[in-house]
Amino acid sequence: QSALTQPASVSGSPGQSITISCTGTSSDVGSYNLVSWYQLHPGKAPKLMIYGDDKRPSGVYNRFSGSKSGNTASLTIAGLQAEDEADYYCCSYAGTNTFVLFGGGTKLTVL
Amino acid sequence: QVQLQESGPGLVKPSQTLSLTCTVSGGSISSAGYYWSWIRQHPGKGLEWIGYIYYSGSTYYNPSLKSRVTISVDTSKNQFSLKMNSVTAADTALYYCARDVRGNGHCDYWGQGALVTVSS
Repeated sequence: QSALTQPASVSGSPGQSITISCTGTSSDVGSYNLVSWYQLHPGKAPKLMIYGDDKRPSGVYNRFSGSKSGNTASLTIAGLQAEDEADYYCCSYAGTNTFVLFGGGTKLTVL
Repeated sequence: QVQLQESGPGLVKPSQTLSLTCTVSGGSISSAGYYWSWIRQHPGKGLEWIGYIYYSGSTYYNPSLKSRVTISVDTSKNQFSLKMNSVTAADTALYYCARDVRGNGHCDYWGQGALVTVSS
């Protein structure tokens, strides 16, 4: 099964909002409420930002939110800050043959 | 606070076997409901799920890697391991271990990653 589809890059100015999309299929994103989002800074362990489509772990700022419509999930970051500049990956459960799929990643640049 | 730490050789020759171990501290690898995962990131590329194991020993693999990968668990040492055979340069990557909640891709704790280079 192919990786989930994300835009290669997005950018925004401090204080603005951005949205990163993650498109899968009816066999993964569209079938389960199990999309997670991860933030990767170079040299640091990946950080879970969203799980279960729209749930935020404790300690993650409420500027980060997740949503889903059909086969496409989205991560929205409101009030962009310089520290948000990182790579973001979506991930979805994909059933009992494929199990887990990641997106190709999106590089967020804060201008 | 659960912590994971990868360890193993950073250089592996082509056709040989890559071996990594993940040591879990701050929590038991035998805790119910958690799957212990290996995930890799090729240089400049995205994340790729390799597979995971439950403490009982049940294993689940990426279909595209299944023929070359074995994940095992040692509950007495609170460790789990990855072996990948017949490696090529295409297996050069940063290898992460992580804890997956209920095996659905929700990884709440990750290691820092171990860079493995396949080269003669």
